[in-house]
Amino acid sequence: GAVVSQHPSRVICKSGTSVKIECRSLDFQATTMFWYRQFPKKSLMLMATSNEGSKATYEQGVEKDKFLINHASLTLSTLTVTSAHPEDSSFYICSVTTSGRGGTGYEQYFGPGTRLTVT
Amino acid sequence: GENVEQHPSTLSVQEGDSAVIKCTYSDSASNYFPWYKQELGKRPQLIIDIRSNVGEKKDQRIAVTLNKTAKHFSLHITETQPEDSAVYFCAASRGGSNYKLTFGKGTLLTVNP
Repeated sequence: GAVVSQHPSRVICKSGTSVKIECRSLDFQATTMFWYRQFPKKSLMLMATSNEGSKATYEQGVEKDKFLINHASLTLSTLTVTSAHPEDSSFYICSVTTSGRGGTGYEQYFGPGTRLTVT
Repeated sequence: GENVEQHPSTLSVQEGDSAVIKCTYSDSASNYFPWYKQELGKRPQLIIDIRSNVGEKKDQRIAVTLNKTAKHFSLHITETQPEDSAVYFCAASRGGSNYKLTFGKGTLLTVNP
């Protein structure tokens, strides 16, 4: 598989502040990463596809100005939740596809997730 | 777009019994079908996957079958153990690094000792 890290694992912030979440691919080059959010006891909902060196592709209904994605290198993608509100509280998870060396491009491996709580 | 239905939403079995989870998909162009196991508060873990050029794949106690004509695929877990208790998600994709996964709603599997 692939090793994917996320930072921070947990964050609590006040309403109106911005929070940045990092997703790192530790052992291969990831041209594509995905960002999901997951509510308690629910499935994973894709927010956006992050492509290295280009703009992210957002799913319908996801506000691109609120959820800023930057994929600046082949090992790092960041998700910034701007002007966070309590309804943004959720579990945010990134994934990478193994399109690099040793991978087939089909499998997706997930980071450990970031629990965001907005008070 | 793709739509993936998963059943049942909850499944309770006795240790040693088999468990079967079923999914259907709508996009005939989908050709990659992974299964993930997620324990509470943890990341989803890829446990097995299948591509549309095969009908069945097995890895120890876990197997996945695919019926492309009927657009459904299933996860089979034999000789269940308490540590198999988790939420299982099926997903479908057109494959490749740029194609997104569409997930089912998940099945909470409880294996009673």
